[in-house]
Amino acid sequence: QSALTQPASVSGSPGQSITISCTGTSSDVGGYNYVSWYQQHPGKAPKLMIYEVSNRPSGVSNRFSGSKSGNTASLTISGLQAEDEADYYCSSYTSSSTSRFGTGTKVTVL
Amino acid sequence: EVQLVESGGGLVQPGGSLRLSCAASGFTFSSYWMSWVRQAPGKGLEWVANIKQDGSEKYYVDSVKGRFTISRDNAKNSLYLQMNSLRAEDTAVYYCARLVWEPYYFDYWGQGTLVTVSS
Repeated sequence: QSALTQPASVSGSPGQSITISCTGTSSDVGGYNYVSWYQQHPGKAPKLMIYEVSNRPSGVSNRFSGSKSGNTASLTISGLQAEDEADYYCSSYTSSSTSRFGTGTKVTVL
Repeated sequence: EVQLVESGGGLVQPGGSLRLSCAASGFTFSSYWMSWVRQAPGKGLEWVANIKQDGSEKYYVDSVKGRFTISRDNAKNSLYLQMNSLRAEDTAVYYCARLVWEPYYFDYWGQGTLVTVSS
């Protein structure tokens, strides 16, 4: 039950777009469209940003978008803003009816 | 407004036990799967356990199987995590989260409660 693989850090300037990858296997990311993404600011609880690969909950900015190809899911943040600086985690349902989170990515706004 | 409030964290010696609680409000608790997710200091999120609406199905991460038990009391709108045989590596902030089973995502989270396992 190892974690899904994410880059440790991604950075970009305000207004730019960045993409965070999340790589798993055919038993999790590749096998189901049940990938979700969470934003976590320091000392705060995680917040749902994307579910079912590409759906945004009500209230989440349309600057956040998700996609998937094979065993890799991606989160793209367009028009990067200072408040987007946070940790981001992907999560996937697995064939064992369990859940697996990604290793986490620290997003820095330069 | 959906609210999840955890309690019960604290300092416990290795081998000891602790019971976490999560009080839910603002939604029909008995209609949702519920979960526990933890985060060790300075580390990433780790899913711990899920429980079905009526408690008939439970799933655990391998590292806590046989030591932790997830349960719920729908009459009290409460979720629990009984933690036995605690180890130093169980030290973490434990979050209660509401799980939407299909298409499987955690849509609301509590603020977390810190469990420290140390002598």
